[in-house]
Amino acid sequence: EAQVTQNPRYLITVTGKKLTVTCSQNMNHEYMSWYRQDPGLGLRQIYYSMNVEVTDKGDVPEGYKVSRKEKRNFPLILESPSPNQTSLYFCASSLAGVVNEQFFGPGTRLTVL
Amino acid sequence: GNSVTQMEGPVTLSEEAFLTINCTYTATGYPSLFWYVQYPGEGLQLLLKATKADDKGSNKGFEATYRKETTSFHLEKGSVQVSDSAVYFCALPRTGNQFYFGTGTSLTVIP
Repeated sequence: EAQVTQNPRYLITVTGKKLTVTCSQNMNHEYMSWYRQDPGLGLRQIYYSMNVEVTDKGDVPEGYKVSRKEKRNFPLILESPSPNQTSLYFCASSLAGVVNEQFFGPGTRLTVL
Repeated sequence: GNSVTQMEGPVTLSEEAFLTINCTYTATGYPSLFWYVQYPGEGLQLLLKATKADDKGSNKGFEATYRKETTSFHLEKGSVQVSDSAVYFCALPRTGNQFYFGTGTSLTVIP
């Protein structure tokens, strides 16, 4: 089954404790992206990757890191989480090309105390 | 630059009511336009799209017409069901594979 998986689905942590949210896709997509969803703000892009070893900042990259060492994986790293990073996070992937459908993972609900 | 503006919710309708969710856009040229839907507890999924002006996208009883005169792409459904309860996002491509997403409109359909 074609899908984007994220782990964990739910995470409660404390300020400053490094964490990684994993994202994996099995569709051989070149493009992958991370979004955060907050009430009243919709989806905002954090980072994206056009292909292996190619990453770039989105609209709200502060406090986040990513890497793309393999085509299928695109982990999101929070080196020192803060309460303002409490949010719902989505990973997405698509084939290259501006009109291609994006496939989203099920989301990771992160709470930083 | 490009942007989308989506009507605010939440929207509550009775089953079999008519649905309209407004979306207007600002863009250079005539980019493709999209509607995504997010069911409770899930990620977004593509609902429908229109790739050029005057096109109509349709899926699962939903329709949206790309109107360049009014720069709009309103989502409509003639008779909503409880299973349509979800959050709906209008989306517009930006550079590369990136998208601008609207803020989302929450729809609740009551029996």
